[in-house]
Amino acid sequence: SQQGEEDPQALSIQEGENATMNCSYKTSINNLQWYRQNSGRGLVHLILIRSNEREKHSGRLRVTLDTSKKSSSLLITASRAADTASYFCATDAGWSKLTFGKGITLSVRP
Amino acid sequence: GAVVSQHPSWVICKSGTSVKIECRSLDFQATTMFWYRQFPKQSLMLMATSNEGSKATYEQGVEKDKFLINHASLTLSTLTVTSAHPEDSSFYICSARGYGGAGTGELFFGEGSRLTVL
Repeated sequence: SQQGEEDPQALSIQEGENATMNCSYKTSINNLQWYRQNSGRGLVHLILIRSNEREKHSGRLRVTLDTSKKSSSLLITASRAADTASYFCATDAGWSKLTFGKGITLSVRP
Repeated sequence: GAVVSQHPSWVICKSGTSVKIECRSLDFQATTMFWYRQFPKQSLMLMATSNEGSKATYEQGVEKDKFLINHASLTLSTLTVTSAHPEDSSFYICSARGYGGAGTGELFFGEGSRLTVL
């Protein structure tokens, strides 16, 4: 069953703008991960945040986690056309058995 | 970073035939591999967990006899779609986890294998 639910389902922004994507989940987790998928390709791991962490940064990415609200957000700053892809949050309740959300389609217009 | 290779990347077959997809960890030993299925514009659905040297654990609703999984070595897991039908057409993705504890690290994903059954 789907654990993560992202919103919005689709996001279109101008290059240079920030993109914020949200994810909500239902059960307890060990960690939450964000992945990117270009059309027809495999998944690329972006960032992992553990359940005892609240915020994490990696380059232009910032992820937050609120376990009380069972939600996470992914912020991509200064977006580029190359960021155009689908983004998935995935929750890990243990042993790396991930449950993926439905995904967000991000389009960055040049 | 670690590399996971899937082969073939795409395959077209006739209805009734069987198709084998390989998932290899190229620079690390994968104690556990996961097989996912993804329909167009949808999320990844976990099909089964494959542990080296033991039987795969299938998710509810996934037919074991239809999707045969073998994890014979620490670097190779295979998914065989038996007697494939058009409804089995999908994008199949594997991921691998190396040594390092439960739920503490990232998974590495293959590039996926697109199966089209005519």
